[in-house]
Amino acid sequence: QVQLVETGGGVVQPGMSLRLSCAATGFAFNTYSMHWVRQAPGKGLEWLALITYDGKEKFYSESLRGRFTISRANPKKIVYLDMSRLTAEDTAVYYCAREERFRSVYYLDLWGQGSLVTVSS
Amino acid sequence: DIQMTQSPSSLSASIRGRVTITCRASQNIRTNLNWYQQQSGKAPKLLVYAASTLQSGVPPRFSGSGSGTDFTLTISALQPDDFATYYCQQSYTAPYSFGQGTKVEIK
Repeated sequence: QVQLVETGGGVVQPGMSLRLSCAATGFAFNTYSMHWVRQAPGKGLEWLALITYDGKEKFYSESLRGRFTISRANPKKIVYLDMSRLTAEDTAVYYCAREERFRSVYYLDLWGQGSLVTVSS
Repeated sequence: DIQMTQSPSSLSASIRGRVTITCRASQNIRTNLNWYQQQSGKAPKLLVYAASTLQSGVPPRFSGSGSGTDFTLTISALQPDDFATYYCQQSYTAPYSFGQGTKVEIK
């Protein structure tokens, strides 16, 4: 079955760190670039980060101010999001998504179910 | 960074009605524009990519158009499943920003 499953969410105290994982099944993971997107409660979608298929290039939202790191382990078919110095504003559902390409246009065609991160003391 | 602006932020429409949502980019993004649907409590779902190409399995009552800075998503003959929030996203260059969303509600 072609799917993405996020894990690692939960309640974390302000200032702490957390790692999210996104496991891929049913497709050639090592040929796809992967993204992380989040959604704060009652808010819209916020794009966070992208890692290319081989892990050689990474791009981030400037709003993260260097606190988040995206990485991947292709043999395990997992993409990670390491989050540090968390604040209440990072409380959100975090989605991973697969990037597909049509000619020179990129789009997110497969999404996970999301993992809720709550930053609270 | 490229800013994406959707309008309206919300609208009410009737079953079998027609809806048009607009998305404007802060600079020319050619046709690097995608549309997603998000139903309450669910992950987003890709509807349209490259401004006008319908994703496989998406009903033909959905259509997208535009290029450059101005884009439109149209839903003809609204069905109950279509009441959701819709987002545009530019993929011309990172960061791949989203619009703020348009919530389509039942009139």
